[in-house]
Formats: sequence, structure tokens, C-alpha cells
Amino acid sequence: GQQVMQIPQYQHVQEGEDFTTYCNSSTTLSNIQWYKQRPGGHPVFLIQLVKSGEVKKQKRLTFQFGEAKKNSSLHITATQTTDVGTYFCGLIQGAQKLVFGQGTRLTINP
Amino acid sequence: DAGVTQSPTHLIKTRGQHVTLRCSPISGHKSVSWYQQVLGQGPQFIFQYYEKEERGRGNFPDRFSARQFPNYSSELNVNALLLGDSALYLCASSLDGGGLYEQFFGPGTRLTVL
Repeated sequence: GQQVMQIPQYQHVQEGEDFTTYCNSSTTLSNIQWYKQRPGGHPVFLIQLVKSGEVKKQKRLTFQFGEAKKNSSLHITATQTTDVGTYFCGLIQGAQKLVFGQGTRLTINP
Repeated sequence: DAGVTQSPTHLIKTRGQHVTLRCSPISGHKSVSWYQQVLGQGPQFIFQYYEKEERGRGNFPDRFSARQFPNYSSELNVNALLLGDSALYLCASSLDGGGLYEQFFGPGTRLTVL
């Protein structure tokens, strides 16, 4: 099945700095979902992208789906301590099989 | 409304034992999926059940099995536990068994195998 590669694996920023994580695939993706997992918590759904070139915003978070539908990104503007966690991209395959990327762990220096 | 619930929260077992993990989906959700998350990695798909039928199976050995009940709750069973089965086991429910629906995850069961 398809796989998604996520980079970077870790990112440490100063509070107020921006943060971006990338999700890449060698094949065309039909969809991408993004989840956030706080330390000690469980994944929480953030967004779903299905259209080529799609851009969606949620307050300080901007999600993009590449024109070729082979990559996606999550950008956080002016990070806050509440943004700490691991961000996963995921691909729905078949019925409801969600294939996750390796995740990007974000830590923030207040 | 209650979210996805899982029991127990934590569990300690020894090698060779058997374990049963339980999950109750969000009311109205008919699809339940199970994931294994090893520390520092993304969740790995184990099973998906919809309307009491297995709809998908990940790359896990036959020691792993699951079922879904008429009320849509689900059990994950793991036999002959190995040290490598130590992980967070997550249950996720979604509205339907197909299509692009968001998955709602439960808090997980932390399994430690000694």
C-alpha cells in the first residue's frame, strides 16, 4: 500500500516562531488527514484535504495539499506552548485504514 | 456526548499470557478501528470492523484478533503475548465504514508485557 514520509522528525522552536511539517509520497494521494497528539494523549483530528492545491486555515494553522497531490504541509504561525505535541499526517486507504506518517514532534521553548 | 471510551487504562501482563482490550465507540458510530502505537512511532493499523464484520486487517500476526458486537462496541484480543506487544492500543470510531471520515480516537490502553 501507499506510504507517507514525514519530515522533520523533531523540531524545537522558540515560542512565537513559525513551524512547518511536511508529508511526502512517491505516488499520488487521494486524501490527507492531519492529526495532533499531545504528550500522553491520543491523536485528535485536525483537517482533511482531498483537492489538488487545496489550502485550509484554522486560526494560526495552515494546511496545504500539493498540486500533484504527492505532498502536504502543516504550517503554524507564531507558535504557542499549547501547540506542543506530535503532528501526524495520515492517508485513508481502502475502507477506513488510516496509514500514519512517522510524525513530527514539536517542542517549544517559552 | 461521551467520546470513545476504552478499558482498561493500563495493563501489565507477562509473556505468554492473553489480553482482552475493550472499546465503546461514539454513539451512532458504526465503524471501529484498532491501532498499535509503539513509543516514538505513529499508530499502526491492526483491524477495522463495520457492522460486526471485519473490513480491514493490518500486518499483524494471527495472535491478534478482534470482534464487534451488535451495540458496535469492540474487543481486541492478543494471545501468547510477547515483549514487543508492549504499546499503547488505540481504538478509533467513525461514522461509517467507508469513505473519508475523520476518526475519533479513544484515550488508549497502555499495555506493558514483562
